[in-house]
Amino acid sequence: SQQGEEDPQALSIQEGENATMNCSYKTSINNLQWYRQNSGRGLVHLILIRSNEREKHSGRLRVTLDTSKKSSSLLITASRAADTASYFCATDAKRGTASKLTFGTGTRLQVTL
Amino acid sequence: DAGITQSPRHKVTETGTPVTLRCHQTENHRYMYWYRQDPGHGLRLIHYSYGVKDTDKGEVSDGYSVSRSKTEDFLLTLESATSSQTSVYFCAIRGTSDTQYFGPGTRLTVL
Repeated sequence: SQQGEEDPQALSIQEGENATMNCSYKTSINNLQWYRQNSGRGLVHLILIRSNEREKHSGRLRVTLDTSKKSSSLLITASRAADTASYFCATDAKRGTASKLTFGTGTRLQVTL
Repeated sequence: DAGITQSPRHKVTETGTPVTLRCHQTENHRYMYWYRQDPGHGLRLIHYSYGVKDTDKGEVSDGYSVSRSKTEDFLLTLESATSSQTSVYFCAIRGTSDTQYFGPGTRLTVL
């Protein structure tokens, strides 16, 4: 079963606009992570937010986490064509030292010129 | 890429044949993972390893086995491939702060 579900499934915006993707999950987590995947490539880690954090920034990325609603959002500001990719949230409900990620189905972002 | 390679990168095989995929890392990470990626399902964990000869099942482990005889290598075996195992397989290692780093993937087609 999928722990994280992204919304929307697909998003098309113009360069310079902001892109917001949402992720909902079902069980308690230790942390939530966002990954990017370019077509035909492996996933690349973007940002990690721990369960005791509410907001985190990294460059043009802003992630929020609301554990009471079991949801997270990823905001990409001033999008560029190079941001075109699929974005996945992944939850880590770590038990002991075993860190296992459960991925959502992803949001496909298309940024046009 | 955290020094992760996967081999082969592409493979076409027939139903019922055994298949072994290899993941190799060069940075001595303890944790290694195998995932499969299918349309509409995202990535799903097959098996993972937390040390040499220490492995455990993931969400979709049926039909798969793994072995880790050396820190740097994590093998995924399909004992008797089925068409439902046609997928893209990704290996990952766990780096610092619980983040994972992924290999380039292996595209497997079972006819």
